[in-house]
Amino acid sequence: GAVVSQHPSRVICKSGTSVKIECRSLDFQATTMFWYRQFPKQSLMLMATSNEGSKATYEQGVEKDKFLINHASLTLSTLTVTSAHPEDSSFYICSARDQGRGGYTFGSGTRLTVV
Amino acid sequence: AQTVTQSQPEMSVQEAETVTLSCTYDTSESDYYLFWYKQPPSRQMILVIRQEAYKQQNATENRFSVNFQKAAKSFSLKISDSQLGDAAMYFCAYRNYGGATNKLIFGTGTLLAVQP
Repeated sequence: GAVVSQHPSRVICKSGTSVKIECRSLDFQATTMFWYRQFPKQSLMLMATSNEGSKATYEQGVEKDKFLINHASLTLSTLTVTSAHPEDSSFYICSARDQGRGGYTFGSGTRLTVV
Repeated sequence: AQTVTQSQPEMSVQEAETVTLSCTYDTSESDYYLFWYKQPPSRQMILVIRQEAYKQQNATENRFSVNFQKAAKSFSLKISDSQLGDAAMYFCAYRNYGGATNKLIFGTGTLLAVQP
């Protein structure tokens, strides 16, 4: 089936630094990638929708200058958390729509800890 | 705006028994998709079952089946012959029909425990 590879799975960074999270679709072309944030024991909160070759669409309340999304190719989308703060610590998940099969495939998530 | 509600934060079931997880949603659309996703402790989201709103027949996938009541906007998940590996957080999700950028709208989740 369709696979989305997400890296890193865990990352610890210092306050003020930036962290990049990558999601790659391995066996299909992902024209659209969704980025979610999940707090412990809570649901997935959509942060933004990225489309290959165009600007991402951010959900209300999500700072676009803080969470930079790049979708430069049909198989790669990245989320960069800039000037990270401890409150950015969370679980981040990407999801891609496999238009060929009509489903959504999720990455395995990234646990970000900002110290 | 569409919303998805899961009114059961936690459920428990004995191994080999049957459990039903509830989900209601609100939409003014007539065509849409509904999903149940499972998130085990690994936190990998796994698609359990999917239902197209235009289909009257309830979807089934092995031990998993749904009761889709379109008029009532209800979409419950039944797990038969529960297994220890079914223990996970279950999310109900909604998506409008058509459009590659249509997003999934998730409910708050139900944490299912399976007792041996």
